[in-house]
Amino acid sequence: NAGVMQNPRHLVRRRGQEARLRCSPMKGHSHVYWYRQLPEEGLKFMVYLQKENIIDESGMPKERFSAEFPKEGPSILRIQQVVRGDSAAYFCASSPSAGEVTEAFFGQGTRLTVV
Amino acid sequence: RKEVEQDPGPFNVPEGATVAFNCTYSNSASQSFFWYRQDCRKEPKLLMSVYSSGNEDGRFTAQLNRASQYISLLIRDSKLSDSATYLCVVNSPSGGSYIPTFGRGTSLIVHP
Repeated sequence: NAGVMQNPRHLVRRRGQEARLRCSPMKGHSHVYWYRQLPEEGLKFMVYLQKENIIDESGMPKERFSAEFPKEGPSILRIQQVVRGDSAAYFCASSPSAGEVTEAFFGQGTRLTVV
Repeated sequence: RKEVEQDPGPFNVPEGATVAFNCTYSNSASQSFFWYRQDCRKEPKLLMSVYSSGNEDGRFTAQLNRASQYISLLIRDSKLSDSATYLCVVNSPSGGSYIPTFGRGTSLIVHP
């Protein structure tokens, strides 16, 4: 039973390029959360999605960032026109139901470096 | 005011010591509480859930005080392998859903 799978593990982009981060939740999980972690900082919530729906994007920057979780395939976090400040570890987590009482399971993260 | 607050530490203790971490949360409507562990440059992993009655898992004991909005983690007989960052996590209401909300983490260093 595979856990949460994220790819790529490491991603290097030049300023102005696009970054696409993928997350496949655990089997049977339909709730996905994306977090960003800057060096020496905690995990900051970005967006919560269910299949084909964005439920809460209160932590997403208003520009350049978008997320989707299509009916088929992984969840995608897209960052357009990356800047150096976007360099961080991006973690995806999934849960089997609404987050009221259930814990979230994390992928290994994607480390984005913008040069 | 941050939603979930923790002392970042680091806590530097010898093997065998008992160490306690505290965490406070601001939203009284929060429903579920957890401690996660994060090793350097790795993903967070669930250590234990925290129940109102308090719960224990081996050397680890977690307590929740809803009235004070306070959560604690006690580690007894510390091992070198306990060195990590401990994250307090609260499922906080947000627009009709619940979002796992993380504290900044408390760093623990156990030395020989």
